[in-house]
Amino acid sequence: ETGVTQSPTHLIKTRGQQVTLRCSSQSGHNTVSWYQQALGQGPQFIFQYYREEENGRGNFPPRFSGLQFPNYSSELNVNALELDDSALYLCASSDGQPDEKLFFGSGTQLSVL
Amino acid sequence: RKEVEQDPGPFNVPEGATVAFNCTYSNSASQSFFWYRQDCRKEPKLLMSVYSSGNEDGRFTAQLNRASQYISLLIRDSKLSDSATYLCVVVGPYGQNFVFGPGTRLSVLP
Repeated sequence: ETGVTQSPTHLIKTRGQQVTLRCSSQSGHNTVSWYQQALGQGPQFIFQYYREEENGRGNFPPRFSGLQFPNYSSELNVNALELDDSALYLCASSDGQPDEKLFFGSGTQLSVL
Repeated sequence: RKEVEQDPGPFNVPEGATVAFNCTYSNSASQSFFWYRQDCRKEPKLLMSVYSSGNEDGRFTAQLNRASQYISLLIRDSKLSDSATYLCVVVGPYGQNFVFGPGTRLSVLP
């Protein structure tokens, strides 16, 4: 096990609603990144947080936002949900070193109806 | 052109076979490279890092060709447990953007 935990594991929402996904990083890791994985595709980078600051963002609209807390846990918030937001959302933590490796949580499966 | 492209797959091979996956990337400033493995409905897990000198871990060998912007993964003596999707990962110059390829699915058949 990686020590990265995500909650909830599954979630069903309707279009237009808002959702908050949570992630606890592995002990000793100060960097958290979030990914969206649609069925049959590779994970797509949403953003990364390092010591509570966003320090990288992929090609996602502003309605995707996040937070990192002093204990390095993190939240992903998505506003105004769209049907295409249905996907597996993965959180990964790392130690911020140059050759950093990602340790993933088991993900949150979001379905937007 | 996509940032990271992989063999489309799926690859269906018998046990004991040798199989090779290819990956190309577009950003010549990329600094780090990895192969991840993802089982069905599970999270990706690191398989191995990829270095310019090439590296081997048991039955797995990874190669990087920076001039051609090409990465490969070779699996020898395939096992049933190798069945999974293999994801090529390329990290940008500042280390904060991990770009995943679409993955190549491998099925090892008895």
